[in-house]
Amino acid sequence: GQSLEQPSEVTAVEGAIVQINCTYQTSGFYGLSWYQQHDGGAPTFLSYNALDGLEETGRFSSFLSRSDSYGYLLLQELQMKDSASYFCATKEAGTALIFGKGTTLSVSS
Amino acid sequence: DGGITQSPKYLFRKEGQNVTLSCEQNLNHDAMYWYRQDPGQGLRLIYYSQIVNDFQKGDIAEGYSVSREKKESFPLTVTSAQKNPTAFYLCASSILGEDTQYFGPGTRLTVL
Repeated sequence: GQSLEQPSEVTAVEGAIVQINCTYQTSGFYGLSWYQQHDGGAPTFLSYNALDGLEETGRFSSFLSRSDSYGYLLLQELQMKDSASYFCATKEAGTALIFGKGTTLSVSS
Repeated sequence: DGGITQSPKYLFRKEGQNVTLSCEQNLNHDAMYWYRQDPGQGLRLIYYSQIVNDFQKGDIAEGYSVSREKKESFPLTVTSAQKNPTAFYLCASSILGEDTQYFGPGTRLTVL
């Protein structure tokens, strides 16, 4: 089976940088995705890594190391609106995404 | 506008009743999914479908049923056999084989 581990909570202040880690165990690997979910809302796609290295999308970046079964989401220049839950997800071939339990990010002023 | 709709947003049912949650998409996606989310928890996969008239069980399929008679629609029935049905239910769709999933706004089901 698959499993993903990520911290349950992270706190930071506006303007700071925060890193949310994710370790995974899968029998086959087809990439690591990140989703953002505001309280009561729908998850929205942020980033995807199929290969090792860093993917940058504006203030958000995602990193993957397949040899370490590890990835992280990096959020820079934090804003209050970044307060949300962040989920890492992966899947095996021909199936659906399996999600971690999520990391709640609280940004304060 | 393309997207996924779920209705209703809030649903209340008495214990022992079956209830069907609607999910419709006009993104022309082949694959559709149902997830359940409990407070402070991640999304757990209930069922998914990659093609019309075919679907597979996810990790927590017991007490749920689905159908996929049309590409655009993937309704979920929460049966009386589901022991703890109160939860937030999310439907999603994707292009077959791609990882990016697009989610609907969710239905919050409360069983009294």
